[in-house]
Amino acid sequence: DTILTQSPDTLSLSPGERATLSCRATQGVYNYLAWYQQKPGQPPRLLVYDVSTRATGVPARFSGSASGTDFTLTISSLEPEDFAVYYCQQRSNWPRLAFGGGTKVEI
Amino acid sequence: EVQLLESGGDLVQPGGSLRLTCEASGFSFSNFAMSWVRQAPGKGLEWVSSITSTGNSPYYADSVKGRFTISRDNSKDTMFLQMHSLRADDTAIYYCARFSSSFDGVPQYYFDLWGQGTLVTVSS
Repeated sequence: DTILTQSPDTLSLSPGERATLSCRATQGVYNYLAWYQQKPGQPPRLLVYDVSTRATGVPARFSGSASGTDFTLTISSLEPEDFAVYYCQQRSNWPRLAFGGGTKVEI
Repeated sequence: EVQLLESGGDLVQPGGSLRLTCEASGFSFSNFAMSWVRQAPGKGLEWVSSITSTGNSPYYADSVKGRFTISRDNSKDTMFLQMHSLRADDTAIYYCARFSSSFDGVPQYYFDLWGQGTLVTVSS
């Protein structure tokens, strides 16, 4: 099974700063990787899928990229509402779907 | 409004059973594959089970295979998760989630719509 490892566990930043979140897969997942944002008490929200395609309504400050089995979610300039937990998810092993452990972006 | 609404979560004893329900509205439910995803308190997300748009093919995580059964009733825009032999490590918020779909209706296996979740607590 493909395991996704996210780093760091916690990212402490200020509004306006750039956030770089990492997700590493134990084997190739091709371009089949998504990112979700989850705020306290809310369900996750799909941000990016197929590595770099933003979901409907997601601001352009969110971008995704990949290099081999390393995937990155970048938030170019943090807004106050971006402080949340972020998860990556792979679909290459369907029907065995998997999420990463999450990265918390905090002030 | 496009939404998913879960219900059925409760406190249940180890070894007990529970049935969760997910009611969909605002979209053509029968055109989408659906899933259950859970989140233990303070933990990350775990895929539990999925079902095709027709209901003909269910899929399960190893952790619940043989204990949980997913089903759906497209005439009522509703999906179910029947849970048996519940254990303490099944304690979680259970989310109903919709698989994203390509323009021609092929599931993309990302979760583009989520319910608010229903809490299942397994404890004596």
